[in-house]
Formats: sequence, C-alpha cells, structure tokens
Amino acid sequence: LAKTTQPISMDSYEGQEVNITCSHNNIATNDYITWYQQFPSQGPRFIIQGYKTKVTNEVASLFIPADRKSSTLSLPRVSLSDTAVYYCLVGDPGSRGTGANNLFFGTGTRLTVIP
Amino acid sequence: GAGVSQSPRYKVAKRGQDVALRCDPISGHVSLFWYQQALGQGPEFLTYFQNEAQLDKSGLPSDRFFAERPEGSVSTLKIQRTQQEDSAVYLCASSFSGSYKGEQFFGPGTRLTVL
Repeated sequence: LAKTTQPISMDSYEGQEVNITCSHNNIATNDYITWYQQFPSQGPRFIIQGYKTKVTNEVASLFIPADRKSSTLSLPRVSLSDTAVYYCLVGDPGSRGTGANNLFFGTGTRLTVIP
Repeated sequence: GAGVSQSPRYKVAKRGQDVALRCDPISGHVSLFWYQQALGQGPEFLTYFQNEAQLDKSGLPSDRFFAERPEGSVSTLKIQRTQQEDSAVYLCASSFSGSYKGEQFFGPGTRLTVL
C-alpha cells in the first residue's frame, strides 16, 4: 500500500517560493504521483501529476528524484489565495479494481500564506 | 461548461433515517468516484464507477451504504439507517478517463449531519 507522509502544516510569506515534500517509500513501478489542492468548503482540485524527473505547468512544478521515494511540489511566489490544504497521492493510473489502495489522500499539508 | 454538481449541499438527518445524495458529473466523463471526508481529514475513497458499472466498492464502510449509476451519468449514494458516525462531507468526482489516470474533477460536496 503506497501511502504517503507529508508535513502537517507550513507557513510562508507572500511572494516566497514554497516547497512541500511528500514521502512515499513504498511506491510501485507503475505508480504516478499526483497533487491536489483543497480550499475550505470545496472539493479538491488537481494541481499536477508526474512519474519521474520534473513536471511543470502554469501553476506549479513537481520534482521527483531518481529513486521516486519522495516528491516535492513547488509553488512559485505564493499569494494569500494559495492558503489551502495540499494532498499528495500515489497510485497506479492504469489499474482498476483496487481503488482503496490507489486513491489515498492522507491528511495533507495545510499551507498558510502570511501577508 | 458546468462542473460536477452535488445536491443537496447540506443535509441534516435524524439517526436512523435514510438519505440519498446526488452527483451530476461532467457530461461525457466515464469515471465517477465517491469519497467521504471527515472533519480535518483527507477524502477517503468509497466507490468507483466506470460508466454504469461499479468496479470497486471496497471503501464502502458498511452494507448501509449503497451507490448506483444506472445510466452511466448521474449517481446516487444512499445511506440507510444513518448513524452519527456517518456525519461527514461526501464528495463526488468524475474523470474523462476510463481508469484512475488523469485529473479528477470534484464537486463541492454534500455535508451530512446526523443528529
């Protein structure tokens, strides 16, 4: 069961770069790493997904070392609106029938951006 | 276009009552997921549909929980004889992909309170 470990909370000042690291020591060969963001009273929102090395989109970057036992979500120049809970998920996107193993959100990291 | 919608947004039930929670996924999305989110916790997987087929229901906590998606679009999560421990936010998500791969689009959730 590829569960994940993340810091419970982080604080950052506006305009800074924030890096949230997720540990997933039992990641399997076919597993992908996906990050979601959740604001209060809303459902989670997809941020980024990757398998290895580095992935970048318009909102974030995802760094994955060669051993893939951890990953780091990088948010450039955070603003107050980035205050949210961030979840790291690890799972095999091509598998079916094992949803309980593949869709484990954990407790996430509560990021607070300070003015 | 419209996102995932859920109704009702809030539901209060007396212990022992039956409740039905509705999810309208994004049109054309093959996959549909239900999650339960307790206060301060991440979403926990309940069940997964591909079109009308319920491929995984391993996360349903008891036989009081039942989900259906008879025509492969709208889904209903039914909870019979509600208990206080059923109080949570119930999230629905849909995905274009026919597997777990890719982005899941979440609805706003239904907050169920059992008195």
